[in-house]
Amino acid sequence: NAGVTQTPKFQVLKTGQSMTLQCAQDMNHEYMSWYRQDPGMGLRLIHYSVGAGITDQGEVPNGYNVSRSTTEDFPLRLLSAAPSQTSVYFCASRPGQTNTGELFFGEGSRLTVL
Amino acid sequence: GENVEQHPSTLSVQEGDSAVIKCTYSDSASNYFPWYKQELGKGPQLIIDIRSNVGEKKDQRIAVTLNKTAKHFSLHITETQPEDSAVYFCAASPFPGTASKLTFGTGTRLQVTL
Repeated sequence: NAGVTQTPKFQVLKTGQSMTLQCAQDMNHEYMSWYRQDPGMGLRLIHYSVGAGITDQGEVPNGYNVSRSTTEDFPLRLLSAAPSQTSVYFCASRPGQTNTGELFFGEGSRLTVL
Repeated sequence: GENVEQHPSTLSVQEGDSAVIKCTYSDSASNYFPWYKQELGKGPQLIIDIRSNVGEKKDQRIAVTLNKTAKHFSLHITETQPEDSAVYFCAASPFPGTASKLTFGTGTRLQVTL
């Protein structure tokens, strides 16, 4: 029962490098999203997608790109990493049509930008 | 937009005591208030939620209360156990289905000591 799987769990980058955080879910959820978690700031929404081919910006989208070519995958790309992007990143998903509201989170990816 | 404040940021209780975490929100259009628990090294997990047409909801040792007039809601944990030690997040959104509008509080680290 995999749920939401994030890779890598840990990553260290140098300023200006690029990388992709991977997120995959096996629950056939239409909605997927990326959050960043910083001390004293809670969880802030970066980007989200309501289905394959559809993405939209959240509260803090600058410096990040996303795409949704399949229902299962929702990668988050950092094109030119900055120290301000040091954070723990969480992917979350949920069914498209639901009345429960529950978000299912992955275990997180800790990114350090030097 | 919505602003959710959460207090305290840290809370230490002895095993068997009760713990209370409080949140206030600013947007009167918010009607859905979930609580998530994040254990060390894991992603957040929904533990209980409440909707605006209900003043209180209980699930075993956990209860949530909502005061819409005052715009605040609280999480109550009774008979605390060591496994309750975690970070707890409150959140608010207009409806359960609007995950992209979910605003999180800044989190409370609960430590249950023996």
